[in-house]
Amino acid sequence: NAGVTQTPKFQVLKTGQSMTLQCAQDMNHEYMSWYRQDPGMGLRLIHYSVGAGITDQGEVPNGYNVSRSTTEDFPLRLLSAAPSQTSVYFCASSYSGFSGNTIYFGEGSWLTVV
Amino acid sequence: SQQGEEDPQALSIQEGENATMNCSYKTSINNLQWYRQNSGRGLVHLILIRSNEREKHSGRLRVTLDTSKKSSSLLITASRAADTASYFCATDSETSGSRLTFGEGTQLTVNP
Repeated sequence: NAGVTQTPKFQVLKTGQSMTLQCAQDMNHEYMSWYRQDPGMGLRLIHYSVGAGITDQGEVPNGYNVSRSTTEDFPLRLLSAAPSQTSVYFCASSYSGFSGNTIYFGEGSWLTVV
Repeated sequence: SQQGEEDPQALSIQEGENATMNCSYKTSINNLQWYRQNSGRGLVHLILIRSNEREKHSGRLRVTLDTSKKSSSLLITASRAADTASYFCATDSETSGSRLTFGEGTQLTVNP
């Protein structure tokens, strides 16, 4: 199993550009989520999904869109990039929910918005 | 707002010493987990402790939970240079909608 795979690893965007961070998992996990990690802020939940066709907002959803058309994939779209979105983004998945279950993380995507 | 807060923010020790990191939280929890993050990598799950448990062990790791003080500690015994990483606690609770809330992490450096 590859686990949770994120692409790209690094990306530089200009303000106003849009892009999609890809996330795929091969563990047949129902729950998937996106976090951003900023210095001194820990990880903050952007969006999450409890299954194909179902998504919901996390703590910091503004400026981001998600969709879950398949169990395996959970892309994160930046609609109009802003410097405040410069961060490290992590996709994560778990088998049956976040409560009391192990969360598996991807290796991260480093995004710089100039 | 951050549910979990780790203490200290940074810890530097010598190989072979024990490392203790603490996590405090504000509201009642269902579970508390500890994760490790090596530089430039994703988070890796270490151990989960449920609210009705007081102590768990996994290899060189020992986690305690004191719900009356709303705190947890992670002890790494006989540390190795490979233990150098950031360590995060994460909690879930009824008020968080069963979603994980992460602290800011403790940066552990183990010097050879």
